[in-house]
Amino acid sequence: DAKTTQPPSMDCAEGRAANLPCNHSTISGNEYVYWYRQIHSQGPQYIIHGLKNNETNEMASLIITEDRKSSTLILPHATLRDTAVYYCIVRLDGATNKLIFGTGTLLAVQP
Amino acid sequence: GAVVSQHPSRVICKSGTSVKIECRSLDFQATTMFWYRQFPKKSLMLMATSNEGSKATYEQGVEKDKFLINHASLTLSTLTVTSAHPEDSSFYICSATGLAATPDTQYFGPGTRLTVL
Repeated sequence: DAKTTQPPSMDCAEGRAANLPCNHSTISGNEYVYWYRQIHSQGPQYIIHGLKNNETNEMASLIITEDRKSSTLILPHATLRDTAVYYCIVRLDGATNKLIFGTGTLLAVQP
Repeated sequence: GAVVSQHPSRVICKSGTSVKIECRSLDFQATTMFWYRQFPKKSLMLMATSNEGSKATYEQGVEKDKFLINHASLTLSTLTVTSAHPEDSSFYICSATGLAATPDTQYFGPGTRLTVL
């Protein structure tokens, strides 16, 4: 699986948009970009995933560059409860395919 | 939908004893379940992958005789830590994929905190 690079930490003001970047320059054509987050002492929570097109759901938006070498997760209106470690993972589709977690980005939402 | 539970949430045991952790998919059939371990301030490390009705596949460096995994039904997988030692103290997390709203997405349980004295 391709590796990803994320900044170790970011701050965001409450109510503002949080934009979390991820580089995955070695991603292959059939690998998806997945985003999970982990609030302290809890299991990871699925946020969103995509292949080529931008995606949006009730939690976030995922913007994938045309060359697919990077992506950005956008939380449109960050709240204090969004403080967590955010993981960007590339993975082949398929139920048996592994998620390999990197170190992620610790997003701290400030009041 | 796509809820995964774990039991117990916390367990404390004496060195040398065995501990069983259950992982259940509550509202979907989990054809594949994964077990992870997470040490303080570290990321999740995949231990093994299990498919219902077959033997688990362990990651390199994970002792299969120490971490016994059983996936006997489409809603239940168990991890047994045998002859636990203090260095096995960790946060154990399971995930499941299968016939959920997004079939290939892994959904995670809340984790089990194991402390071995």
